[in-house]
Amino acid sequence: EAEVAQSPRYKITEKSQAVAFWCDPISGHATLYWYRQILGQGPELLVQFQDESVVDDSQLPKDRFSAERLKGVDSTLKIQPAELGDSAMYLCASSKSAMRAYNSPLHFGNGTRLTVT
Amino acid sequence: AQKVTQAQTEISVVEKEDVTLDCVYETRDTTYYLFWYKQPPSGELVFLIRRNSFDEQNEISGRYSWNFQKSTSSFNFTITASQVVDSAVYFCALITDSWGKFQFGAGTQVVVTP
Repeated sequence: EAEVAQSPRYKITEKSQAVAFWCDPISGHATLYWYRQILGQGPELLVQFQDESVVDDSQLPKDRFSAERLKGVDSTLKIQPAELGDSAMYLCASSKSAMRAYNSPLHFGNGTRLTVT
Repeated sequence: AQKVTQAQTEISVVEKEDVTLDCVYETRDTTYYLFWYKQPPSGELVFLIRRNSFDEQNEISGRYSWNFQKSTSSFNFTITASQVVDSAVYFCALITDSWGKFQFGAGTQVVVTP
């Protein structure tokens, strides 16, 4: 069982609807990441948090995606409105520190598989 | 720019056969770190190994072994005497001091049949 909790596991939504994903990282992990994994590809970083602050959201489509980590613990990723091309697995990961990211292996959750119809 | 190439999309083997997964990386940094992750059908990526650019020693952990060769920019992964539980997608990843983000390859699906 993954130590990083994500919900829901599966989500089917219609185009133009809003959808939200939740992630609870490993206790004490300061850094939280949201990745998108399109079928047949490796994960791609959407947004990285250090505590409650966004460190990197350069790959986040900000016109429709938003992410928050208000208290520096759990996090929510939202898409509004959803588009067909957003169908993918959304993975949350956490690590102890991003200061030397290579020393802190990422711990991933089971992901949320989103299907947009 | 950083790039990780896993040319093998899928490898199918019969149980007890050995299987080698290729990973070729590109970076201009002299300090970098390479990783392998396993993604079983349950979805979460599981960390397997980390290697830094200054340590070219090969490593063995049980049935898993890794061959790091800077001369060919490769970090290959071998599963010896494969088992059905090894069926998963395996990702190679790179992170560098200057980039600071994990760059994942496209993954290799390993299918082990009894």
